Amino acid sequence: QKEVEQNSGPLSVPEGAIASLNCTYSDRVSQSFFWYRQYSGKSPELIMSIYSNGDKEDGRFTAQLNKASQYVSLLIRDSQPSDSATYLCAVNSRGAQKLVFGQGTRLTINP
Amino acid sequence: GAVVSQHPSRVICKSGTSVKIECRSLDFQATTMFWYRQFPKQSLMLMATSNEGSKATYEQGVEKDKFLINHASLTLSTLTVTSAHPEDSSFYICSAREGGHEQYFGPGTRLTVT
Repeated sequence: QKEVEQNSGPLSVPEGAIASLNCTYSDRVSQSFFWYRQYSGKSPELIMSIYSNGDKEDGRFTAQLNKASQYVSLLIRDSQPSDSATYLCAVNSRGAQKLVFGQGTRLTINP
Repeated sequence: GAVVSQHPSRVICKSGTSVKIECRSLDFQATTMFWYRQFPKQSLMLMATSNEGSKATYEQGVEKDKFLINHASLTLSTLTVTSAHPEDSSFYICSAREGGHEQYFGPGTRLTVT
């Protein structure tokens, strides 16, 4: 079992709809969770971090964390074609310096 | 805030030569820096973790004598690819963190070895 798992996609969503990206992790002591966006040929960009159970909203983005289910998700409301990218889920365990990344989900927003 | 730069953005070198890539945190002091490599259509692969003033910690399978990492100050880390070969051609990306867990990535360096 991979430490951090994401559906590789591609996930296609019509413009204006809600895109839902999911991630599960295996290490129960994980305590920090991140979503990065990576455009083709570019480096990852941090878009959300979440540390406690529940929802965290930032503009059109909402991160959701459920530690009991070892599940973290990212919702993108009012999806735009510029949201088309690969979204990486990353997890950090207590005491660890490095992040463990999922394989990424490729999202395409169709005009 | 949290800006990380890399230099050069693109480099072409001949097989057998060495290439140095710089990573700088511009507006914060980076206690830890990370070096990643990414091949086309593949995920990020962590190569090593470096703390200022300490030897880097390399991931399993990464040759420390080939990929030399120096983290001389809280704002600068360098990666030197020694005796580069065509199979070392890749997208090299650094990231830095200040004290929390967020990592901020540089724009990456595309290395082509001919």
